[in-house]
Amino acid sequence: EAGVAQSPRYKIIEKRQSVAFWCNPISGHATLYWYQQILGQGPKLLIQFQNNGVVDDSQLPKDRFSAERLKGVDSTLKIQPAKLEDSAVYLCASRTWGGASSGNTIYFGEGSWLTVV
Amino acid sequence: QKEVEQNSGPLSVPEGAIASLNCTYSDRGSQSFFWYRQYSGKSPELIMSIYSNGDKEDGRFTAQLNKASQYVSLLIRDSQPSDSATYLCAVSRLTNAGKSTFGDGTTLTVKP
Repeated sequence: EAGVAQSPRYKIIEKRQSVAFWCNPISGHATLYWYQQILGQGPKLLIQFQNNGVVDDSQLPKDRFSAERLKGVDSTLKIQPAKLEDSAVYLCASRTWGGASSGNTIYFGEGSWLTVV
Repeated sequence: QKEVEQNSGPLSVPEGAIASLNCTYSDRGSQSFFWYRQYSGKSPELIMSIYSNGDKEDGRFTAQLNKASQYVSLLIRDSQPSDSATYLCAVSRLTNAGKSTFGDGTTLTVKP
């Protein structure tokens, strides 16, 4: 079974520029997440999709971050304009929808490393 | 106060010893608890999940949960150098099954 695919793996941009990250979840996984992991910290959820609908985006800085999941499969996370504090690893993860009583195993991609200079 | 707290470490144990990792959480509505292992430069990998009070064993790993004390731990028996990594504790509410809140992790070093 193929894992969660992400691209690009590494990106260096100047502040105020824009960047976009792409994610392809595991086939059949209805739930997709974007996490931000700053060096030395645990992952922080930015947005959760269920199919192509947003379930939770309460921690997404909406003035500069946007995400979409058209057709309920691939997803794109965009940052515009970038700030120095956006330097982090952006992790995409997915899981199957088993309802509220199911287990919570999520599978992470390798991450997209962003450096803002 | 952070929602999920872990000692940052580093925790250093000799090869073959038991490593004990601890985690406390603040949300009493938490129902699902997870331990992830993250090697340097890699993404987190789930190693244990626990949902009920008590112990859950899987190979060399044992997760322990005490909801009354809002405490979850991970024991690694017969620690190996390959266990050297950062261990992340995560919790979630069953009502929003996918949203996990992570601690900042404990770095474990197993010395040969």
